[in-house]
Amino acid sequence: DAMVIQNPRYQVTQFGKPVTLSCSQTLNHNVMYWYQQKSSQAPKLLFHYYDKDFNNEADTPDNFQSRRPNTSFCFLDIRSPGLGDAAMYLCAARGRDTQYFGPGTRLTVL
Amino acid sequence: GEDVEQSLFLSVREGDSSVINCTYTDSSSTYLYWYKQEPGAGLQLLTYIFSNMDMKQDQRLTVLLNKKDKHLSLRIADTQTGDSAIYFCAETPTTGGFKTIFGAGTRLFVKA
Repeated sequence: DAMVIQNPRYQVTQFGKPVTLSCSQTLNHNVMYWYQQKSSQAPKLLFHYYDKDFNNEADTPDNFQSRRPNTSFCFLDIRSPGLGDAAMYLCAARGRDTQYFGPGTRLTVL
Repeated sequence: GEDVEQSLFLSVREGDSSVINCTYTDSSSTYLYWYKQEPGAGLQLLTYIFSNMDMKQDQRLTVLLNKKDKHLSLRIADTQTGDSAIYFCAETPTTGGFKTIFGAGTRLFVKA
């Protein structure tokens, strides 16, 4: 059974048009993450939540925002996508020992 | 700062064993992980080892941890074409909060 679910799997947006990516987890884990991954590089952490406590990475652009309305759901908002934001976006949830990833959303910016 | 290093490519023949190596810098890491990523997919947690262990075996997978040398390896026995993927080594430093530090990934090619 899927533990971390991401929707949609593929998202196409236009340059500058806001887009929201969704993530949900059935694990009831406290910590959730958003990563950006380009060209099979290592995932790059954008931010994470411990419960509602938001932790932004220092090099995450202001263009990227996140919301976590409850334990199960987390959203990534890209306010004005640029061509350089085209990537795979991975959501993850962490329990005591392990971090589980969703299947990812591939974002294309036209 | 924390760093995780892996070789970028490994090529093996089907049926042989594969050994993917990783070195890390943070000696305080509590958990070390191996993730597998197939094309277009997310990261699949393969296995992990707690830092007070030397070895962990799970079916075809064997993880070896040498804390003195800060070296982690993943051995895949009887490698199959379906094992072709990118394998990421990762660590969770105790000083990093909930962050996980990933290596650049090792691309495994399995030749039939």
